[in-house]
Amino acid sequence: IAGITQAPTSQILAAGRRMTLRCTQDMRHNAMYWYRQDLGLGLRLIHYSNTAGTTGKGEVPDGYSVSRANTDDFPLTLASAVPSQTSVYFCASSAMTTGELFFGEGSRLTVL
Amino acid sequence: QQQVKQSPQSLIVQKGGISIINCAYENTAFDYFPWYQQFPGKGPALLIAIRPDVSEKKEGRFTISFNKSAKQFSLHIMDSQPGDSATYFCAARGARAGSYQLTFGKGTKLSVIP
Repeated sequence: IAGITQAPTSQILAAGRRMTLRCTQDMRHNAMYWYRQDLGLGLRLIHYSNTAGTTGKGEVPDGYSVSRANTDDFPLTLASAVPSQTSVYFCASSAMTTGELFFGEGSRLTVL
Repeated sequence: QQQVKQSPQSLIVQKGGISIINCAYENTAFDYFPWYQQFPGKGPALLIAIRPDVSEKKEGRFTISFNKSAKQFSLHIMDSQPGDSATYFCAARGARAGSYQLTFGKGTKLSVIP
């Protein structure tokens, strides 16, 4: 049972570089989400998608973009990484009308 | 603005004791209140959840108490064990159509000492 698969597990990136974090789910959930987790700040929503072909902005969307071409994949792109984007990124999915989010194991990103 | 406030930030409890974590929310349109448990190096996982039409929900050693008028809810862990040591997040979900995202509290790091 895979659930949510995120890649890479960790990455060190030079500032100004472009980076895409990958997320794939095999539960056929309608909704998918990207959160970032920072010490003392908890989990903050970056972007979400309620269904394939639609996306929405969360609490901290600036500097990030997402796409949802199909049900299973929800990549997060940093067009030009900055040090403040150093964080642990979690992808999650849920059946649209339930509150239970299933999280991936996270991608630890360091921007130097 | 933070819509879900969680306290304390960290908590140390003796084995066998009761761990209590509190959350308060501001948006009366929330309709679902889950708690998530996160172990180091792992993603959060749903622990227990409650809807505002009940005042308490119990699952094993874990209980949610919900006070709708005060807009507060809390997690109680009875007979706390070292294996319960983790970070706990409360969350709330909007009730409006198209607003199914969860808003999380900042988390509580629980350490249960033998």
